[in-house]
Amino acid sequence: ELKVEQNPLFLSMQEGKNYTIYCNYSTTSDRLYWYRQDPGKSLESLFVLLSNGAVKQEGRLMASLDTKARLSTLHITAAVHDLSATYFCAVVTGTASKLTFGTGTRLQVTL
Amino acid sequence: ETGVTQTPRHLVMGMTNKKSLKCEQHLGHNAMYWYKQSAKKPLELMFVYNFKEQTENNSVPSRFSPECPNSSHLFLHLHTLQPEDSALYLCASSLRQGFGYGYTFGSGTRLTVV
Repeated sequence: ELKVEQNPLFLSMQEGKNYTIYCNYSTTSDRLYWYRQDPGKSLESLFVLLSNGAVKQEGRLMASLDTKARLSTLHITAAVHDLSATYFCAVVTGTASKLTFGTGTRLQVTL
Repeated sequence: ETGVTQTPRHLVMGMTNKKSLKCEQHLGHNAMYWYKQSAKKPLELMFVYNFKEQTENNSVPSRFSPECPNSSHLFLHLHTLQPEDSALYLCASSLRQGFGYGYTFGSGTRLTVV
């Protein structure tokens, strides 16, 4: 059974600081998504990482994928309050393309 | 708005009630999904429909009954629910079921079973 683990589960960080969220998964996959969810809102797609070594950046967020280590990272640079949200990674497996989500990381950026 | 609309946004129901959740998309997608999001648990896939055919039932109790009359609409019929079924129910769609097709999520229905 595929397991997708994120850490930390909760992250409180100051504005201007850098931090990394980690996503580990237990079976082979070469496609991984990162989503953002604001309280009471839908999941917003941030990145899709399609192959080993893939790196994508949007604003203060940068995501990378290492399929050999079964690890993806979401790096936050110089955090701002607007980044406060819950971030999920999700891994695609199988021919049916089942999307399995991590537990989520709740990010709180404080002044 | 994401293009996937869920109604109602909030629902409170008793354990003996029957209610339905609705999901609608006009993105031209052919795959639709129901997910359950409980507090402190990962999102759980419940059902998948691809071109109106159910392709996955993730061991969901029969008190949840999905219906997909066409590729644009997806329902989740609820009856004799339990308090532990209280959660956020998210609908998603993709072009079709398969690699490479991103999911678009609705805003969810917050269900409370009393």
